Amino acid sequence: QVQLVESGGGFVKPGGSLRLSCAASGFTFSDYYMSWFRQAPGKGLECISYISQGGSDIMYADSVKGRFTISRDNTDNSVYLQMDGLRAEDTGMYYCAKRTRAPHFGGPGTLVTVSS
Amino acid sequence: DVVMTQSPLSLPVTVGQPASISCRSSQGLVYGDGNTYLNWFQQRPGQSPRRLIYMVSKRDSGVPDRFSGSGSGTDFTLKISRVEAEDVGVYYCMQGTHWPWTFGQGTKVEIK
Repeated sequence: QVQLVESGGGFVKPGGSLRLSCAASGFTFSDYYMSWFRQAPGKGLECISYISQGGSDIMYADSVKGRFTISRDNTDNSVYLQMDGLRAEDTGMYYCAKRTRAPHFGGPGTLVTVSS
Repeated sequence: DVVMTQSPLSLPVTVGQPASISCRSSQGLVYGDGNTYLNWFQQRPGQSPRRLIYMVSKRDSGVPDRFSGSGSGTDFTLKISRVEAEDVGVYYCMQGTHWPWTFGQGTKVEIK
C-alpha cells in the first residue's frame, strides 16, 4: 500500500524559506515519477512540480518557477521541495504524490503558512 | 493552460440515487503515447485527495464499483450508480496530458 508522509511545513514570514520532505514506502520508489501538489485554504488543487525517476525530467508551475526546487534521494525513498522567496499566496496544504500524469496521493499533507 | 470545466458545482443527492458529474477540457487529452490522462479525485471533508479513477475509466483498487468513469476527446463523466452517505465530499477532475496539469473547480456532493 502506497504510504507518503509529508513533513517540514510551518509558519514563515514573506521572503523566508522552508524545505518540505516526503518519505515514501509501499512501492519501489526509484521506479516512479514523483510530484508535489498544493491546495490553498478553501480552494482547489494545483500541481506545482514533478521529477522523473533519475531526476533528469523536472517541471515547475509558473507560480513557483525560480523560487522552488524539487529533488529526490532514491537511496532514502524521499522527495524534497526547497521553497525560497515564499509569498502569502504560497500558503496552503502541500501534498506529495506517486506518479505525475495520474497522481496517487497517500499522505496527510503538510501545512505551510506564509504571513507577516 | 488547459481549462477544465466541471458541472454542476453543487450536487445534492438522495442516498441510493444516482449522481453524475461532467468535466470538459478546453483541448483534447490524448497524449502522444495514446493514453488519455483524465483522472477523478474525491476529497472528503478534512481529508487528503483520493484518486478514484485514472485514464478516464480505470478504477483504483479499493474504490467501490458504484463509481465509474467514461468519456473521450474533451467530454468526460464520473457516475455514482447509487450514492451512499460516505460519498459526501468534493470531486475533482484533473488532466495530466498537457503541462501544467490542471484541475476542475470541484463539485461538492452533499446528501439531501
